[in-house]
Amino acid sequence: NAGVMQNPRHLVRRRGQEARLRCSPMKGHSHVYWYRQLPEEGLKFMVYLQKENIIDESGMPKERFSAEFPKEGPSILRIQQVVRGDSAAYFCASSPLKGADNEQFFGPGTRLTVL
Amino acid sequence: QKEVEQNSGPLSVPEGAIASLNCTYSDRGSQSFFWYRQYSGKSPELIMSIYSNGDKEDGRFTAQLNKASQYVSLLIRDSQPSDSATYLCAVNHRNDYKLSFGAGTTVTVRA
Repeated sequence: NAGVMQNPRHLVRRRGQEARLRCSPMKGHSHVYWYRQLPEEGLKFMVYLQKENIIDESGMPKERFSAEFPKEGPSILRIQQVVRGDSAAYFCASSPLKGADNEQFFGPGTRLTVL
Repeated sequence: QKEVEQNSGPLSVPEGAIASLNCTYSDRGSQSFFWYRQYSGKSPELIMSIYSNGDKEDGRFTAQLNKASQYVSLLIRDSQPSDSATYLCAVNHRNDYKLSFGAGTTVTVRA
């Protein structure tokens, strides 16, 4: 019973390049959340998606960041023109249903390093 | 004021002792409370969830919730070296779905 899958696990980009992070939720889960953990900081919510819909992107920077969860395939977090401050661990979580009671299960994360 | 605050740590306890972790939250509309364990370089792992006032026990872990005091705690009994990790408190608002995390408390269990 596979858990949340993320790839790549490690990603190195030079300033100005694009980063694409992928997340496949647990089987049976249709709700995906992206969080970012900066070095020595806590986890911060970025965006919440359901299939083909962005429900809440209040935590996402207005510029350069976008997210999608297409009908087929994984959810993608895209960072354009990366800067050194984007270096962080990006975690995807999934839950089976909407609602505050629902437990969220995290994937292994993608560690982005911007040179 | 931070939404979710945890005792800063680090917390060092001898093997076999009880580790006590505390968390307070500012939003009275918070409904769901979770404890995650995160080993260094790894992802958060859900270990406890609690939704109503009182205690909830699962193995060596006990979560305690007091909504009137806006306080949630985690007790780890018979602490083992494998419990050495950072413990994250997460809170979810009644009408929301995104988790607000505390900064975490790092626990070290001394053999």
